[in-house]
Amino acid sequence: AQTVTQSQPEMSVQEAETVTLSCTYDTSESDYYLFWYKQPPSRQMILVIRQEAYKQQNATENRFSVNFQKAAKSFSLKISDSQLGDAAMYFCAYRSGSGSEKLVFGKGMKLTVNP
Amino acid sequence: ETGVTQSPTHLIKTRGQQVTLRCSSQSGHNTVSWYQQALGQGPQFIFQYYREEENGRGNFPPRFSGLQFPNYSSELNVNALELDDSALYLCASSFFGAGVNYGYTFGSGTRLTVV
Repeated sequence: AQTVTQSQPEMSVQEAETVTLSCTYDTSESDYYLFWYKQPPSRQMILVIRQEAYKQQNATENRFSVNFQKAAKSFSLKISDSQLGDAAMYFCAYRSGSGSEKLVFGKGMKLTVNP
Repeated sequence: ETGVTQSPTHLIKTRGQQVTLRCSSQSGHNTVSWYQQALGQGPQFIFQYYREEENGRGNFPPRFSGLQFPNYSSELNVNALELDDSALYLCASSFFGAGVNYGYTFGSGTRLTVV
C-alpha cells in the first residue's frame, strides 16, 4: 500500500520570504501522480500543484514549485514571496497512475505567514 | 461553471442514528469520490462512484454506503453512527474519460458530530 509522510506538523514564514514544505512517499509503482493541496479555514481542498512521475522536469505554478526526487521518493513544495493568503493547512497526496483513482493524503502541515 | 456543493455544512447526530450527506458535482464531471477527514488528519478515501456504480472503496465498513444519480450528484449514507464517525466529510468530483482523470474539485465538506 502507498503511504505519504509529512514529518513537519507546523511551519512559519515571514511575509515575502521563501518556505519549503517536505513530503516523502512510499510506493512500488513507477507510474503515479503527486499533488500538493491547500486547505484554508473554508475547508475546501484547493489544488496547488501537480507532478506526473514520468516527467523529469519539476512542476511550477507561479510562486509555487516542487523539487521532485523520484529515487529518493521525495516531493517538496517551495513557496516563494509568501503572502498572508498562503496561510493554511497543506497536504501532500499520491495517486496511482493505473487502477485506483483514490488520493492518498499525508497528515498535513499548518503554515503560518507572519506579517 | 459551478463548483462542488455539499449539504448540510454542519450536522449533529446521536450514536446509533443514520445520516445522509449530499454532494452536487461540478458541471461536466462524471465521477465523485468521498473522503473522511478526522480532526488533525489528512482525508481518508471512502469510495468512488463512476457512472452510478461504485468504482473503488477504501477501508471502511459496509455501514458506509453511497449512491450516484444520473445527474452525477451523490449521497453518502452512514448507518449505526459511532462516536469515531465524527469528522469532516469531503466530496470531490472529476471528469474521467479515455482512461484519463482530469483532476479533482473538492467541496467545502460536511462537519458531522456524533454525540
